[in-house]
Amino acid sequence: DVKVTQSSRYLVKRTGEKVFLECVQDMDHENMFWYRQDPGLGLRLIYFSYDVKMKEKGDIPEGYSVSREKKERFSLILESASTNQTSMYLCASSQTSGGLSETQYFGPGTRLLVL
Amino acid sequence: GNSVTQMEGPVTLSEEAFLTINCTYTATGYPSLFWYVQYPGEGLQLLLKATKADDKGSNKGFEATYRKETTSFHLEKGSVQVSDSAVYFCALSEDTGFQKLVFGTGTRLLVSP
Repeated sequence: DVKVTQSSRYLVKRTGEKVFLECVQDMDHENMFWYRQDPGLGLRLIYFSYDVKMKEKGDIPEGYSVSREKKERFSLILESASTNQTSMYLCASSQTSGGLSETQYFGPGTRLLVL
Repeated sequence: GNSVTQMEGPVTLSEEAFLTINCTYTATGYPSLFWYVQYPGEGLQLLLKATKADDKGSNKGFEATYRKETTSFHLEKGSVQVSDSAVYFCALSEDTGFQKLVFGTGTRLLVSP
């Protein structure tokens, strides 16, 4: 079974702090994604990576950056956390071979509270 | 742009009742369609998918048919169980050079014994 793990289930940070969210997948997937999930808004794509050191902006990249130094690991960075970044953050991974019908595999999520 | 619309929740049912969760979409081209499920305290997992018109996806007693004429992908189950209580997300895939999923807002299902 594919396993996607996220470094923390819950985080509490202060406004202005730099925050790192880590995601690791164990199935050698090329693609990795970061989403945020908010009530009434569903999931929105923050960033996507299709290879090591490669990244693409999603729908809401402002205030975030990402890093992919190794194929299995994809990090989301909040350069200066703000209260409007309080949310659930979900990481996902997928293969490229299935194209548009490929399944994305999700981690359990990190619930971030910014005070 | 592409979008997915789901019925508002929560949907509250008794065990063994029939379930329908409506999903309609707006898309250019021929997207694949998905239902993902999120159980309490967990991430999303794929429930079923369909890749072309008139395809039926099915899994764990759930079914959904890709209806291009009505741009719909409604989720159905003949007899729900308490363990089906979860949030259900309808999604489509966009071809933006990579597979981008566009999600609906989610529908919470509550099943009581």
